[in-house]
Amino acid sequence: GAVVSQHPSRVICKSGTSVKIECRSLDFQATTMFWYRQFPKQSLMLMATSNEGSKATYEQGVEKDKFLINHASLTLSTLTVTSAHPEDSSFYICSASQTGQGGGNTIYFGEGSWLTVV
Amino acid sequence: DAKTTQPPSMDCAEGRAANLPCNHSTISGNEYVYWYRQIHSQGPQYIIHGLKNNETNEMASLIITEDRKSSTLILPHATLRDTAVYYCIVRVEPGGFKTIFGAGTRLFVKA
Repeated sequence: GAVVSQHPSRVICKSGTSVKIECRSLDFQATTMFWYRQFPKQSLMLMATSNEGSKATYEQGVEKDKFLINHASLTLSTLTVTSAHPEDSSFYICSASQTGQGGGNTIYFGEGSWLTVV
Repeated sequence: DAKTTQPPSMDCAEGRAANLPCNHSTISGNEYVYWYRQIHSQGPQYIIHGLKNNETNEMASLIITEDRKSSTLILPHATLRDTAVYYCIVRVEPGGFKTIFGAGTRLFVKA
């Protein structure tokens, strides 16, 4: 099946610094990718929709200047957490959509990236 | 946007069928029902999806009621590795891709 890969899987950064997380669709092209964050024992919360070649669409309450999203190619989207603070520590997950022959759009998720801000 | 309702948790004996229900009474005619699961500290894994007809693949079966207001995911022979949170999702934008997660059902498979 389709594979979506995230890098790094775990990252620790100092408070005030920025950290970038990459999301790649390995065997298909994805014009649209999505970024989620998940706190322990909670469900996934959609942060933004990343569109190749255009600006990302952010969900209500998500700071676009803090969570910078770039989707420069059909196989890569990046999330940069700027000026990270301990409260930004979370599990960040990306997903990409592949159109199936039978209709519908199957969405595949990356393995997730654990961010710890110290 | 169609919403889904799932029980917060369920238990299942190893080797038995696990039947996970989902209500989506406000689903629109061209919205698909998707099921994903998330094992601890991993990204969600696609299981199956359907529109109207029942579907089966190597992982599970999806039974959708005739009025499409509810569905059931069936894991025919649950194993300990099936312990996970299972999410029933109705695609939010017809023709689009946005996926909104509810709370899901935490399935515990016990030996």
